[in-house]
Amino acid sequence: AQSVTQLDSQVPVFEEAPVELRCNYSSSVSVYLFWYVQYPNQGLQLLLKYLSGSTLVKGINGFEAEFNKSQTSFHLRKPSVHISDTAEYFCAVSDPGVTGGGNKLTFGTGTQLKVEL
Amino acid sequence: ETGVTQTPRHLVMGMTNKKSLKCEQHLGHNAMYWYKQSAKKPLELMFVYNFKEQTENNSVPSRFSPECPNSSHLFLHLHTLQPEDSALYLCASSQDFRGYGYTFGSGTRLTVV
Repeated sequence: AQSVTQLDSQVPVFEEAPVELRCNYSSSVSVYLFWYVQYPNQGLQLLLKYLSGSTLVKGINGFEAEFNKSQTSFHLRKPSVHISDTAEYFCAVSDPGVTGGGNKLTFGTGTQLKVEL
Repeated sequence: ETGVTQTPRHLVMGMTNKKSLKCEQHLGHNAMYWYKQSAKKPLELMFVYNFKEQTENNSVPSRFSPECPNSSHLFLHLHTLQPEDSALYLCASSQDFRGYGYTFGSGTRLTVV
């Protein structure tokens, strides 16, 4: 079964500074990778996804992530954060190579990003 | 508005009560899901429905009973719950079983007293 590790439970950063949120997944021949954001009292919103093709994926709100197969990582980055980016961020993986695995997302424990003035 | 609507937003119930959570999607998706989100734990997949058929039951206790009458509606019937069942219950949908990303609802915050 797939697993996802988000090593950082909290990441504090000053406004306009760059940020990287780390995500590692257990190895598999084929994977789909996702980043979701959750604002307080809301559901999860898709930031970006990697299905195939270019390893650098651009998403909404200026975020991007890079798929690194050799390191089984999918780290999320933003060059300059804003106060409004304060939220919890979840990395998720699915395994389309397994029958029925494409639509079963496995989530990490989340990283709380806190942007300070 | 995310296209996936969950009601109620908040629910407090006693351990002997019976209640139901409702999820409705207006996206034309054919797959729907229930997830449980507890503090400090990863989201837990509970049930998967593809084209109204249940294709996944992730060892969920029988006090949780899902129902999917059509591709647009999903229910979670609750009875004789335990305090540890208190959590945020999230509904999601996707185009189909290939899972190119979900659309989530805002969730129902359930408190069992």
